[in-house]
Amino acid sequence: GAGVSQSPRYKVAKRGQDVALRCDPISGHVSLFWYQQALGQGPEFLTYFQNEAQLDKSGLPSDRFFAERPEGSVSTLKIQRTQQEDSAVYLCASSATWGGSSYNEQFFGPGTRLTVL
Amino acid sequence: AQSVAQPEDQVNVAEGNPLTVKCTYSVSGNPYLFWYVQYPNRGLQFLLKYITGDNLVKGSYGFEAEFNKSQTSFHLKKPSALVSDSALYFCAVSRSTGGFKTIFGAGTRLFVKA
Repeated sequence: GAGVSQSPRYKVAKRGQDVALRCDPISGHVSLFWYQQALGQGPEFLTYFQNEAQLDKSGLPSDRFFAERPEGSVSTLKIQRTQQEDSAVYLCASSATWGGSSYNEQFFGPGTRLTVL
Repeated sequence: AQSVAQPEDQVNVAEGNPLTVKCTYSVSGNPYLFWYVQYPNRGLQFLLKYITGDNLVKGSYGFEAEFNKSQTSFHLKKPSALVSDSALYFCAVSRSTGGFKTIFGAGTRLFVKA
């Protein structure tokens, strides 16, 4: 079946603009993660959804960052009033989760490369 | 707090030689440990994981990793490297209880020379 898809693949925004990044997880996957990957670094956790519930948003760097997954499938990461330090690759991952544990591997999308000018 | 250290930014190996990519971790409680690989212009792909049981875990493409609880390490190994193994490798850890957050290391770039 299809893997995780993300759109757009590339986004250029002027400082101060709002952006919305979309993630389509693998069908039936309960868990969805968002990560931020700066150049030369590993992915940094932003937020986690189990179905439509956002169970952990401890990694969101500021209140300008907002994520939702209203129907438990597609998710959107929104960044308001973008700043240059928001420039990064934003990765989405999904996994099948049973028993409320984190032992399942994650399937990653190709990422959205955001450049803020 | 969880953390992962990959002490080597880059590992260089000749084709046919064994390779090791190092990873140490810190987590309260029992860890779940993962290795992912990122090829150029492609998303991260799962290689293998340790959940419980045997300390030696076998994964995709001939890779294996050894969980060492006393040294809090989870080094990635392969007996004979291929040029096609050249990529960026990430170690990751999550907790067996108390949340879903996964912490990734900074990554190690592997170069396999023909």
